[in-house]
Amino acid sequence: GESVGLHLPTLSVQGGDNSIINCAYSNSASDYFIWYKQESGKGPQFIIDIRSNMDKRQGQRVTVLLNKTVKHLSLQIAATQPGDSAVYFCAEKVGGGGNKLTFGTGTQLKVEL
Amino acid sequence: NAGVTQTPKFRILKIGQSMTLQCAQDMNHNYMYWYRQDPGMGLKLIYYSVGAGITDKGEVPNGYNVSRSTTEDFPLRLELAAPSQTSVYFCASSPRDRATNYGYTFGSGTRLTVV
Repeated sequence: GESVGLHLPTLSVQGGDNSIINCAYSNSASDYFIWYKQESGKGPQFIIDIRSNMDKRQGQRVTVLLNKTVKHLSLQIAATQPGDSAVYFCAEKVGGGGNKLTFGTGTQLKVEL
Repeated sequence: NAGVTQTPKFRILKIGQSMTLQCAQDMNHNYMYWYRQDPGMGLKLIYYSVGAGITDKGEVPNGYNVSRSTTEDFPLRLELAAPSQTSVYFCASSPRDRATNYGYTFGSGTRLTVV
C-alpha cells in the first residue's frame, strides 16, 4: 500500500551545524507534503509545506526539498539550535477529500552542545 | 485565539469502561480529525469530519465513535475500552479553503491508559 517513511529514526547533530531529515514516499500521485515538529508532550506543530509543482521551498532557517523522480523529501534546518530538538514528521496529503494526511513514523533530532 | 482545545489531558480507564474525549476549535475550520499516536510511531487517523453532521472513518476506526453537531466541537467516544486503545489522542482541524495550506492545527493531546 501507499506509505510515507523516514530513513533514520534518530539524528544527532552538534549545535550550530545544519541538519537534514529525510523522508521517502511511495505514492507518485501525492501532490502536497508537510513537515511537522513535535516536542515532548505536545501536539505536532506545522513547520513548512511544499506542493508537487515545486522543487524547493524556504522558510525561516528551514528548507524543504522535493525530488519527485525518486519520491524523496527532505527537511534542512540551518544552524541547528537546542530548541530544535524534537521529533520531526513528514506527512503526505492523501486523496478522497477532507484534506487527510498520512504521517511517517518520525525522526528524533537531538542537538548536542 | 485558543486554537484546538482537548480535554482531559490525562485519563486512566479500566477495561470495559467508556469515555468521551472532548475537542473544540475556535478558528471556524470546516475540517476536523482524530488521530492516535502509539509510542515511537506516527499518527494514525481514526475519524474525520468535513463539516457539521458529516463524519467518516479513517484508517483505525474500530472501537471508536464520533459526532459533529457543530462546527466547533468534535468529540471522540470510546465504548468498552481495551488495552489496545492505550495511546495519545490528538484532535486537529484545518481550513477547507484550497488557497491556504492544508496544515493542521493540533491540540495538545489526551494521554489515555487502559488497565
